[in-house]
Amino acid sequence: GEDVEQSLFLSVREGDSSVINCTYTDSSSTYLYWYKQEPGAGLQLLTYIFSNMDMKQDQRLTVLLNKKDKHLSLRIADTQTGDSAIYFCAGSGANNLFFGTGTRLTVIP
Amino acid sequence: DAGVTQSPTHLIKTRGQQVTLRCSPKSGHDTVSWYQQALGQGPQFIFQYYEEEERQRGNFPDRFSGHQFPNYSSELNVNALLLGDSALYLCASSGTVNYGYTFGSGTRLTVV
Repeated sequence: GEDVEQSLFLSVREGDSSVINCTYTDSSSTYLYWYKQEPGAGLQLLTYIFSNMDMKQDQRLTVLLNKKDKHLSLRIADTQTGDSAIYFCAGSGANNLFFGTGTRLTVIP
Repeated sequence: DAGVTQSPTHLIKTRGQQVTLRCSPKSGHDTVSWYQQALGQGPQFIFQYYEEEERQRGNFPDRFSGHQFPNYSSELNVNALLLGDSALYLCASSGTVNYGYTFGSGTRLTVV
């Protein structure tokens, strides 16, 4: 199966940009996803990128994909306290998703 | 438009018991997947159901079984519960275009 790795923690000040990084081992994923999980809740799909794209922008979110290095990143512009959560990157198998362990983002007011 | 709904939200069971969790997919979705999320971990794929058949299975023992009904809703059954089965169980649904799985809020299972 695919391994997906993320750093565990990230702290930023309100209004700054956050960058959450992810590396994966299986280059056959057709789509790569970013999900957000707030305490006690399920997963909310934030954005996804098709594997033949380098970048995707969606309002405050920018996803960068480096297929050569198998590296995915999520940039959140103007980070707000409501962005505090755990962020998961996930690769896609034929019928399933492979998740990292998640990055806990803490936004300091 | 209702998203994915799961029931119950919380459950406490004793070791050795059996449990059934339920999931209704998002309107228009015909595929249901189940994931187990242990505390502090990312979700792990259990299995996926499509057209009332198990289409793919992750690395979980046979104690974990499922079912999909003609209305696309699904059940996850776990037999002979172990303490290690304590986790958040997430249901995800998807349509024929296989991107953007929609997750429910999960069922928190505690085995004591």
